Amino acid sequence: QITLKESGPTLVKPTQTLTLTCTFSGVSLSTSGVGVGWIRQPPGKALQFLALIYWNDDERYSSSLESRLTITKDTSKNQVVLTMTNMDPVDTATYFCVYSNYGDPPGFWGQGILVTVSS
Amino acid sequence: DIQMTQSPSTLSAFVGDRVTITCRASQYITNWLGWYQQKPGKAPKLLIYRASTLESGVPSRFSGSGSGTEFTLTISNLLPEDFATYYCQQYNSYSWTFGQGTKVEIK
Repeated sequence: QITLKESGPTLVKPTQTLTLTCTFSGVSLSTSGVGVGWIRQPPGKALQFLALIYWNDDERYSSSLESRLTITKDTSKNQVVLTMTNMDPVDTATYFCVYSNYGDPPGFWGQGILVTVSS
Repeated sequence: DIQMTQSPSTLSAFVGDRVTITCRASQYITNWLGWYQQKPGKAPKLLIYRASTLESGVPSRFSGSGSGTEFTLTISNLLPEDFATYYCQQYNSYSWTFGQGTKVEIK
């Protein structure tokens, strides 16, 4: 069974950098085909893809947010880290960590972490 | 980015009804399309991938069809637990995109 859990700050100030960590189990990023990434959802709004990293270091980013995002992996710790720079109140959202097998949509999701951007 | 447009935004239906949700892609995406169900306060759940393949454990009253740019999700015999918001998602391109969601409400 694949499980994922998000951790990080729940409140950040405008202009700060957000760092979120996804810790997962039941799968390894050293295994061919494995991908772990991030999707967010502002309150009452639709889902938005942010970033994804595959076992082979292939990185994918949202076209509109690419300049602010970095995704990295630590295979030994079963963790993926997302950093988002220059946070703004419009970035207030629940951030989900997801697992995707290469070529398939995300079939496993974490519970999500609500991040509020406010001074 | 590939834009995904769902219709309707809201749908009211009775238990037992058959409902259909449409998703249109702004570019050709072959069959690289998924459907998700989301209930309040919960993470989305994958129902269908590759436009028409049912995810393991998903009831057969859910079905998907389409290819290219036009796709549909059909729920036959709507049950109380099916009232939720549904999203389509394309994963054809480098950057995934989602539809704006369709809320299925009890009539």
